[in-house]
Amino acid sequence: SLVVTQQPSVSVAPGQTARILCGANNIGSYSVHWYQQRPGQAPMLVVYDDDDRASGIPERISGSNSGNPATLTIHRVEAEDEADYYCQLWDTGSSHWVFGGGTKLTVL
Amino acid sequence: QLVESGGGVVQPGRSLRLSCAASGFTFSHHGMHWVRQAPGKGLEWVAVMSFDGDNIYYSDSVRGRLTISRDNSKNTLYLHMNDLRTEDTAVYYCARVQRWEGLLDALDLWGRGTSVIVSS
Repeated sequence: SLVVTQQPSVSVAPGQTARILCGANNIGSYSVHWYQQRPGQAPMLVVYDDDDRASGIPERISGSNSGNPATLTIHRVEAEDEADYYCQLWDTGSSHWVFGGGTKLTVL
Repeated sequence: QLVESGGGVVQPGRSLRLSCAASGFTFSHHGMHWVRQAPGKGLEWVAVMSFDGDNIYYSDSVRGRLTISRDNSKNTLYLHMNDLRTEDTAVYYCARVQRWEGLLDALDLWGRGTSVIVSS
């Protein structure tokens, strides 16, 4: 079955740019969705279908998937962005949804 | 919104039924998922059911023990959990498929979760 990988952690200073990566074999052929989970809270959709922002998500957050890896980019990082981020995609081969292992974004 | 209930502490091998009550949208036209998160771990997809109940998929780790169902007349999603194992210990979230009558789309509405602890 498809294996989806994410870097365990990313640390950036406020105002800088964070790039969170999602890797899988031939990932460009999949639609990738991204979720943010703040400590103690439920996950929240931030980007769907590779690059569409969910309702209420600021423009400084964007997604792309033009090859391996897919990327969630957060410009002008703020303290409120500190969270775990998960990518998700549908594995047509196994008919399973697959989450990446998650990336913990720390704002220094 | 989505509100899960039914979690608790249960012994290995026993059963439990989780519920997810939906409100504020047309439940009968949205596919629904269960996703779980073990303590300190990442998200793990469990199961999905289409809006009409005709299409169901399970993760390999739960197939045959956990069963997803829904009652559109009650706006409620269920997860029937049998032969529970310690590795089923997790917070269980229900989540809505974003697109009307879609199935393979993002999850745009999540409940706050209900905790299941399997322990002797």
